[in-house]
Amino acid sequence: DVKVTQSSRYLVKRTGEKVFLECVQDMDHENMFWYRQDPGLGLRLIYFSYDVKMKEKGDIPEGYSVSREKKERFSLILESASTNQTSMYLCASSSSELGYTFGSGTRLTVV
Amino acid sequence: AQSVTQPDIHITVSEGASLELRCNYSYGATPYLFWYVQSPGQGLQLLLKYFSGDTLVQGIKGFEAEFKRSQSSFNLRKPSVHWSDAAEYFCAVGGHGNKLVFGAGTILRVKS
Repeated sequence: DVKVTQSSRYLVKRTGEKVFLECVQDMDHENMFWYRQDPGLGLRLIYFSYDVKMKEKGDIPEGYSVSREKKERFSLILESASTNQTSMYLCASSSSELGYTFGSGTRLTVV
Repeated sequence: AQSVTQPDIHITVSEGASLELRCNYSYGATPYLFWYVQSPGQGLQLLLKYFSGDTLVQGIKGFEAEFKRSQSSFNLRKPSVHWSDAAEYFCAVGGHGNKLVFGAGTILRVKS
């Protein structure tokens, strides 16, 4: 069964910490995405990547960066965590416009 | 720019009743359209998708959706709702460069 795996289901971090969220897919997909999900706002795109070492900003990239050194792994980095980054983070991968496969999400709390 | 509107934040239906969740989109070309479902604490699962052809699309779990170009709509329907259908539902439209744009979601509650 194909999978997108997010390394942590729950994280609690302190304000100012550097935070890494990891995502791994086993489907050999070219495209990978990071979204954050907040009540009433749906999913908003933070960053995406079409290939190794390639990245593009989504709709809300401020305060975030990403890394894609290998095709299967796409990391989201919060350079200096703030309380307004408390959210559910969802990773997804796809090989075309034919829909995404999502991970189970990481619920991050910044205190 | 593409956008998706789900007008209903919450919907409550009785078990066994029919369901329709509304979705309107804005997109400059022929859209790719999707419905996803999210159970509490889980990621999103694809229910169905529309790319072209027959405007009535069948999905998993007994759901269907109808693409109406004239109304820019892609409403999700189910003839008889089960308690296990309680979840949050997201409509999405395929945008430039493989990106999907999601609506804000509709939370479905099922009462027995």
